[in-house]
Amino acid sequence: EPEVTQTPSHQVTQMGQEVILRCVPISNHLYFYWYRQILGQKVEFLVSFYNNEISEKSEIFDDQFSVERPDGSNFTLKIRSTKLEDSAMYFCASTDGGGYGYTFGSGTRLTVV
Amino acid sequence: RKEVEQDPGPFNVPEGATVAFNCTYSNSASQSFFWYRQDCRKEPKLLMSVYSSGNEDGRFTAQLNRASQYISLLIRDSKLSDSATYLCVVSSSGTYKYIFGTGTRLKVLA
Repeated sequence: EPEVTQTPSHQVTQMGQEVILRCVPISNHLYFYWYRQILGQKVEFLVSFYNNEISEKSEIFDDQFSVERPDGSNFTLKIRSTKLEDSAMYFCASTDGGGYGYTFGSGTRLTVV
Repeated sequence: RKEVEQDPGPFNVPEGATVAFNCTYSNSASQSFFWYRQDCRKEPKLLMSVYSSGNEDGRFTAQLNRASQYISLLIRDSKLSDSATYLCVVSSSGTYKYIFGTGTRLKVLA
């Protein structure tokens, strides 16, 4: 079964440092997403990406965040200057837009210290 | 009113029991509805899509009531392996952005 692959599985970073979370969506999918889940809380939408541009972003996705699809297979989330409150599980997801639901990656646990 | 509202539980039920979860959503323009399952510290996994006509997949039955903006999930003959958090998810057309409920925790007891 096709998978969405995320790396690393766990990243620890110092406050103020930049981090890049990586995702390889399913190859024939067209819509890509980042979500986050703070421990004990619900899954929250960050950003959607289609046709090489952001199609929608949430209030959480401020100027510190950016996304990129640099090479047609990877989809990255960059946090420029991490804060303690950025500590969360970050999930990448993709879909072909057929209404059958997303496939999520297994997530990157980001810990900001 | 929360966009997607669920009873957080936990629902503690014995093996073999039937359990039902409900979910309400606030945006009447929502178009797609799903139940996802999430195990502790893992990614959400699609359990089933939800249609107005209702749909069934083995022991799982999902129902959508658009007029009441209400979604349900019924699990029959609960197994220990059904223990997880069940996430109600609502999506609008366009970007297919998902709005998640907080999830309902289920514990199936031996």
